Amino acid sequence: EADIYQTPRYLVIGTGKKITLECSQTMGHDKMYWYQQDPGMELHLIHYSYGVNSTEKGDLSSESTVSRIRTEHFPLTLESARPSHTSQYLCASSSGVATGELFFGEGSRLTVL
Amino acid sequence: AQSVAQPEDQVNVAEGNPLTVKCTYSVSGNPYLFWYVQYPNRGLQFLLKYITGDNLVKGSYGFEAEFNKSQTSFHLKKPSALVSDSALYFCAVRDSPRGNTGKLIFGQGTTLQVKP
Repeated sequence: EADIYQTPRYLVIGTGKKITLECSQTMGHDKMYWYQQDPGMELHLIHYSYGVNSTEKGDLSSESTVSRIRTEHFPLTLESARPSHTSQYLCASSSGVATGELFFGEGSRLTVL
Repeated sequence: AQSVAQPEDQVNVAEGNPLTVKCTYSVSGNPYLFWYVQYPNRGLQFLLKYITGDNLVKGSYGFEAEFNKSQTSFHLKKPSALVSDSALYFCAVRDSPRGNTGKLIFGQGTTLQVKP
């Protein structure tokens, strides 16, 4: 079992609300990632981080923002949620070795009404 | 740019029969390839990976995958399917193995349905 945790697992909120999806890992991994999973099930990278104070935009443009103040913590924030943000958000981490796999959290399913 | 393709949206097999989930890749340089499984309302679980060496890679839950360089394929296989294998399967390739991003690029996913 990978030691990477996401909260909340499910969230239903109204348009315009600010939300933060939490992601924490206890493996000491430097690299962390946020993927967005469409209803059609494809996975798209929206943010990643090489380490503390490092954040980069992913391949899919997103209105969300991330921060990396501590190695173990990589939260994702939406300042003003909209129905188009409804999706599943998956957090992952890796040791940084080129041959290493990613470890995923259980996901946060966000529904914006 | 690195990419992977999973040509089948869904694969249906009977329990006890062998299964194959297909994946083809396009990379510059040597490929680092991965298979993940996702059960409903769960995150992705790592099954196996090919980095180098033996073309037949064995992984979790009795799954294996065959790397074929000439056909640029990395098909997932299992000799005898179980109903509990029913899930969504993703093939992935490491983005720029020589780089240090560690990113994985995923295929579009294949739903495996194993019927009793």
